[in-house]
Amino acid sequence: QQQVKQSPQSLIVQKGGISIINCAYENTAFDYFPWYQQFPGKGPALLIAIRPDVSEKKEGRFTISFNKSAKQFSLHIMDSQPGDSATYFCAASKTSGTYKYIFGTGTRLKVLA
Amino acid sequence: DVKVTQSSRYLVKRTGEKVFLECVQDMDHENMFWYRQDPGLGLRLIYFSYDVKMKEKGDIPEGYSVSREKKERFSLILESASTNQTSMYLCASSTSWGQGVYGYTFGSGTRLTVV
Repeated sequence: QQQVKQSPQSLIVQKGGISIINCAYENTAFDYFPWYQQFPGKGPALLIAIRPDVSEKKEGRFTISFNKSAKQFSLHIMDSQPGDSATYFCAASKTSGTYKYIFGTGTRLKVLA
Repeated sequence: DVKVTQSSRYLVKRTGEKVFLECVQDMDHENMFWYRQDPGLGLRLIYFSYDVKMKEKGDIPEGYSVSREKKERFSLILESASTNQTSMYLCASSTSWGQGVYGYTFGSGTRLTVV
């Protein structure tokens, strides 16, 4: 009930391509779904987040797609750039009670120049 | 610029030593967290605190303890370090729900090697 399953574990994309990372959750009480980006030697940083009242959120080249009935959400990186090479974590949380994220296991993205 | 500062970037300790990892945030956040990050396992929560002197166990608390005597400081203690505690340790902080800003702010991590 508390897991967030993330795939793929690693991803290689050509410059200009679309990177897609998928996450699935089990707990229907989750109502906040952020994505974090981590560069080597740095801590993760919030990239974009979505609440389940919308099916899509876009910020620049980054888009979250959310499918409430399937309990899945995904991160799309359009026009992927070598500077996007990083590890990406999805997470899920409830916005009531204890403020605690459940993180996915991470996806290591490499964008080839 | 708001910050979560972890006192050491790299630490090497011997098996059986008591190890202290320190974390300080300057954002007046209520919540603070300790995670460990291992390849293929993602971020696993060790302990968290939602108020001074308050703490709750996360998913993998065994072999660890924490201390939060002041709002801005959250310490992770390895009572008797073992080689399986070699890992990257990440501290994070956040406001509480209802304040409109939900993200965690992470420190840069401490890479601990236990030999």
